[in-house]
Amino acid sequence: AQSVSQHNHHVILSEAASLELGCNYSYGGTVNLFWYVQYPGQHLQLLLKYFSGDPLVKGIKGFEAEFIKSKFSFNLRKPSVQWSDTAEYFCAVSPGNTGKLIFGQGTTLQVKP
Amino acid sequence: DAGVIQSPRHEVTEMGQEVTLRCKPISGHDYLFWYRQTMMRGLELLIYFNNNVPIDDSGMPEDRFSAKMPNASFSTLKIQPSEPRDSAVYFCASSPDPRTGTEAFFGQGTRLTVV
Repeated sequence: AQSVSQHNHHVILSEAASLELGCNYSYGGTVNLFWYVQYPGQHLQLLLKYFSGDPLVKGIKGFEAEFIKSKFSFNLRKPSVQWSDTAEYFCAVSPGNTGKLIFGQGTTLQVKP
Repeated sequence: DAGVIQSPRHEVTEMGQEVTLRCKPISGHDYLFWYRQTMMRGLELLIYFNNNVPIDDSGMPEDRFSAKMPNASFSTLKIQPSEPRDSAVYFCASSPDPRTGTEAFFGQGTRLTVV
């Protein structure tokens, strides 16, 4: 079955630290990839997405992600986090031609001021 | 466009009662998704529709759950009878077409509490 795995469930960082959140998916064909963020008490919002082309994708608020096809990974990075980045982060995959959109379990990021 | 609209925002009901959650997708979006979010299981896909037709309902937990999309601007998720373990936040999302890389837009969610 198709699935998305986020390795870190809870991450605690100090401001200005670098961030990398892991995401792996299980599907052998073409995929579209997304990272969403959910701030406390709010709905999910898109951070960035990969459809085709350059595997290094830049999103809002200084976030970026790299698609590595051979590793079935789409890890999220930010060089220097801020307290306002405290939120839950979700990786999502749309496999092949299905239109289906599957999410990982999410990673809670807590940034200490 | 006002975005994806869900109602109610909060619902508290007694075990055994019927619960109906509602969703109005963004106009022109062909795909509609229902998700359930819990601490233990994260964000689970329950069912999704394409052009009002259910495509995959394999995530619906059991027969007590049903979803309909009678037209392009309205969908419901019904739980009958409800149980305490159904307590969760239910999200509706719509998308023009994830196959082309367009993202899904989420509603504010319905927080369901079954006592």
